[in-house]
Amino acid sequence: NAGVTQTPKFRVLKTGQSMTLLCAQDMNHEYMYWYRQDPGMGLRLIHYSVGEGTTAKGEVPDGYNVSRLKKQNFLLGLESAAPSQTSVYFCASSSRQDKNTEAFFGQGTRLTVV
Amino acid sequence: QQPVQSPQAVILREGEDAVINCSSSKALYSVHWYRQKHGEAPVFLMILLKGGEQKGHEKISASFNEKKQQSSLYLTASQLSYSGTYFCGTPLSGAGSYQLTFGKGTKLSVIP
Repeated sequence: NAGVTQTPKFRVLKTGQSMTLLCAQDMNHEYMYWYRQDPGMGLRLIHYSVGEGTTAKGEVPDGYNVSRLKKQNFLLGLESAAPSQTSVYFCASSSRQDKNTEAFFGQGTRLTVV
Repeated sequence: QQPVQSPQAVILREGEDAVINCSSSKALYSVHWYRQKHGEAPVFLMILLKGGEQKGHEKISASFNEKKQQSSLYLTASQLSYSGTYFCGTPLSGAGSYQLTFGKGTKLSVIP
């Protein structure tokens, strides 16, 4: 059981380049989330989705776009990367059947923008 | 708004106890606790719900004071495996909210 899988695990971008981070889950979860983690800042929600075809903004959405074309996948895009987007990105998913249930996190993507 | 955690860091010897606090400026309907080991993903520990229901870890206990908008995580007889950063999360948009906002974390180091 793979759980939540993030691709890639590491990436270095030049300022202004674009890229897409892929998150895939095999637990048939309705809810999916993208967080970023910076030293001393904890986990901050970027965008989230409550189901296929839906997305919504979280706490720090600027500079990012997302898409949920398939239930199992949640993509995070950076159109024009900036050094401030250097971070570790975590995807997570959870079930709609019980709102008060655990979220499962992927292993993270370490992104460096130079 | 992110919940506030305290302390920011704590160092324990094996067998000692620790308390990690989480407070919010907004009304709390639930508090979620996660632990993250260095270089790994956060892992679920427990959820505390309004009304006293608790789901999660067998060896870690927690309290939830709705009136004070606070939760505390109690780590007793600490083991080396308890080392990591602990995060509390609270619903971002109120009672029906499933997306969480997390505190900045408490780094716990357990030494022999």
